[in-house]
Amino acid sequence: GAVVSQHPSRVICKSGTSVKIECRSLDFQATTMFWYRQFPKQSLMLMATSNEGSKATYEQGVEKDKFLINHASLTLSTLTVTSAHPEDSSFYICSARDLDSDNQPQHFGDGTRLSIL
Amino acid sequence: AQKITQTQPGMFVQEKEAVTLDCTYDTSDPSYGLFWYKQPSSGEMIFLIYQGSYDQQNATEGRYSLNFQKARKSANLVISASQLGDSAMYFCAMRERMGTLTFGKGTMLLVSP
Repeated sequence: GAVVSQHPSRVICKSGTSVKIECRSLDFQATTMFWYRQFPKQSLMLMATSNEGSKATYEQGVEKDKFLINHASLTLSTLTVTSAHPEDSSFYICSARDLDSDNQPQHFGDGTRLSIL
Repeated sequence: AQKITQTQPGMFVQEKEAVTLDCTYDTSDPSYGLFWYKQPSSGEMIFLIYQGSYDQQNATEGRYSLNFQKARKSANLVISASQLGDSAMYFCAMRERMGTLTFGKGTMLLVSP
């Protein structure tokens, strides 16, 4: 089945550091990738939709200068958390669809646990 | 208004029993898809089952079946013969026409021996 690889799985770093998270579709081309954020014991909240070759679409309340998204190829999207602070600590998870079809599920990466000290 | 409502924060079931996880949705779009995902404590999101709004029959995938009642706008997940490994968070999600996935708040399922 379709596989999405997300790296790194865990990051612990100091406040002020910028952190880059990669999301790759391994066996399919993803024109659209999605970035979610999940706080403990809560649901997944969509942060942005990443389209290959164009600017990402951010959800209301998500700072695009804080969460930089690049979707340079059909198999790779990156999320950079710039100058991260403790309140940015969360679980970040990406997903992708391999066909523009309503009945195709979004395949998810394994997520990145980000801890800012 | 919430688009996806999961009213059960937590559910307990004994091993080998069946369990139903509730999900209701709200949309005015005639074309939509309903999904269930499982999220174990390790965090990954595992796709379980899909139901399209135009599908005539309830979806089934192994021990998972989806009780789709369109008029009531409900899409309950039924897990038959529960196993200890089924203990996890379960999310119901909806995708409207070519749109993004909207998730419910989830139900934590605990399977006891």
